[in-house]
Amino acid sequence: DTGVSQDPRHKITKRGQNVTFRCDPISEHNRLYWYRQTLGQGPEFLTYFQNEAQLEKSRLLSDRFSAERPKGSFSTLEIQRTEQGDSAMYLCASSSNRESSYEQYFGPGTRLTVT
Amino acid sequence: GEDVEQSLFLSVREGDSSVINCTYTDSSSTYLYWYKQEPGAGLQLLTYIFSNMDMKQDQRLTVLLNKKDKHLSLRIADTQTGDSAIYFCAETAINTGFQKLVFGTGTRLLVSP
Repeated sequence: DTGVSQDPRHKITKRGQNVTFRCDPISEHNRLYWYRQTLGQGPEFLTYFQNEAQLEKSRLLSDRFSAERPKGSFSTLEIQRTEQGDSAMYLCASSSNRESSYEQYFGPGTRLTVT
Repeated sequence: GEDVEQSLFLSVREGDSSVINCTYTDSSSTYLYWYKQEPGAGLQLLTYIFSNMDMKQDQRLTVLLNKKDKHLSLRIADTQTGDSAIYFCAETAINTGFQKLVFGTGTRLLVSP
């Protein structure tokens, strides 16, 4: 089991550009989550998928953010027209749908810097 | 809504025990977690406990839960310099289907030789 992977690990972009991040969950985990972590804070929930269905979205996920998981495996998070306030670490996690399995395993994160 | 609070900083000497504290607000059935984050890295799940338990032990880690006071603690026995990191307490409640983790701001543990 290779764990949750995220790509890229670091992204520097200019304000107004679009960026896309990818997350590959642990194989056979059908639940996938996105969180955002700003400096000095704990992660904040953004959204989660069960298979390809997006089941919950936080109010933090403005119209400029979109997440997809088209085949129920990897997921992408796109930010359009980036703003400096979008600078953060974007973390992905996955979990199994086995009964009573509520463990979320995190990837290494993608650090976004908007200049 | 859920809210999780932690003290910001703890400093101990190598070989001592560390105790990291957390308070939470949700009174419904809940899972409570401890994660470890090293600089520039993602979060590593250390242990978790369901709210119908009082204690859980896993090697050097002991989790204590006081449901009345909504207080959770993580004790690390024989703390090592490699334990230096930020420790996050998190909860997830039945009203979210146990899917949405709510994190505290993290406690930075510094272990000196």
